Amino acid sequence: KAGVTQTPRYLIKTRGQQVTLSCSPISGHRSVSWYQQTPGQGLQFLFEYFSETQRNKGNFPGRFSGRQFSNSRSEMNVSTLELGDSALYLCASSLHSNQNTGELFFGEGSRLTVL
Amino acid sequence: QQQVKQSPQSLIVQKGGISIINCAYENTAFDYFPWYQQFPGKGPALLIAIRPDVSEKKEGRFTISFNKSAKQFSLHIMDSQPGDSATYFCAAGAQGGKLIFGQGTELSVKP
Repeated sequence: KAGVTQTPRYLIKTRGQQVTLSCSPISGHRSVSWYQQTPGQGLQFLFEYFSETQRNKGNFPGRFSGRQFSNSRSEMNVSTLELGDSALYLCASSLHSNQNTGELFFGEGSRLTVL
Repeated sequence: QQQVKQSPQSLIVQKGGISIINCAYENTAFDYFPWYQQFPGKGPALLIAIRPDVSEKKEGRFTISFNKSAKQFSLHIMDSQPGDSATYFCAAGAQGGKLIFGQGTELSVKP
């Protein structure tokens, strides 16, 4: 069974640009969550989608957005990039929308560098 | 109230020693406490998890101790091995909510 796939793995952007990251969950998983990982801050929750609906949202500005397609694949978008957006963006899939009922399966992440 | 505080930030242990990582929370609605392990270049992976109806859970060399009254839980790694060198994250979740992760502990086990 294939794991969670994230693309691209690495990307470099400049301030003001926008970026789109993609996540393909494990087959059969309908919930996709996104996290931002930075040194010292740990994993900061961005948002969660289940069956194409946003179920939970973290405390990030509106420049961060996401969506989920009917095949459960998800994308997140960051507009007007800032230097502080440099981070590893992790996608996680799970069977259930309720994150305290089961395991989150993480991808290897997309490392974004903003210059 | 949504925070999970994790300590220490980094930990160096000799091979064969015990590694202990602590976490504290405030939200009494949390009822699920997993630990995730992350190796460099990889995403986090579930290591072990506990619910507040038990005070301890053991899986191999890994043990979670849970103190509901103190709102604290900890991970103990017995007989630590160099292969255990990784970043460990505690987390807490409530019914219908999202998982809140701690800041992470970078563990280095020296041979």
